[in-house]
Amino acid sequence: AQSVTQPDIHITVSEGASLELRCNYSYGATPYLFWYVQSPGQGLQLLLKYFSGDTLVQGIKGFEAEFKRSQSSFNLRKPSVHWSDAAEYFCAVSFTGGGNKLTFGTGTQLKVEL
Amino acid sequence: EAGVAQSPRYKIIEKRQSVAFWCNPISGHATLYWYQQILGQGPKLLIQFQNNGVVDDSQLPKDRFSAERLKGVDSTLKIQPAKLEDSAVYLCASSLVVRQAIPGELFFGEGSRLTVL
Repeated sequence: AQSVTQPDIHITVSEGASLELRCNYSYGATPYLFWYVQSPGQGLQLLLKYFSGDTLVQGIKGFEAEFKRSQSSFNLRKPSVHWSDAAEYFCAVSFTGGGNKLTFGTGTQLKVEL
Repeated sequence: EAGVAQSPRYKIIEKRQSVAFWCNPISGHATLYWYQQILGQGPKLLIQFQNNGVVDDSQLPKDRFSAERLKGVDSTLKIQPAKLEDSAVYLCASSLVVRQAIPGELFFGEGSRLTVL
């Protein structure tokens, strides 16, 4: 069965600093990979997704992620964090024939210091 | 475009009581999902519908949880009787028709937070 690991439970960065959130997955074939963001009291919003092709994908709000097959990773990055980016971030995986079933990681809580 | 609507937003009950959550998906979305998100964990799929048929309910605790999607539009998730460990946020999501080759984007509602005392 596929699984997703987000090793960092909490991360604190200063506003304007760069950000990288880690995500590792376990699955035999090429997965479909997603990053979602959840603000307090809100539902999850899709930031970006990787299906195939270019391993560097661009998303909304200035986020990007890079798929590295050799490391089974799909890390999320942002060059300059804004205070409004404070939220919880979830990495998720699906696969061909999976019927759109997403398996989520446990999430990383991002705090932004002004 | 209206998003996924859920109600109630908050519910507090005592153990062994029953509770029901309602979800109205985005218009035209054939696939509907219920996820359970326990504090400190990622969302876990409980049940997936395509139109009014169940696609996957393998992780639904069927002794106490039930869900239906009459007429292939809105859906209700019921818990009876509730246990302390059912305290969680119940998220509803919807997507366009699922094609096996490429997953579609899921759109989530704001969730219904359940506290069982």
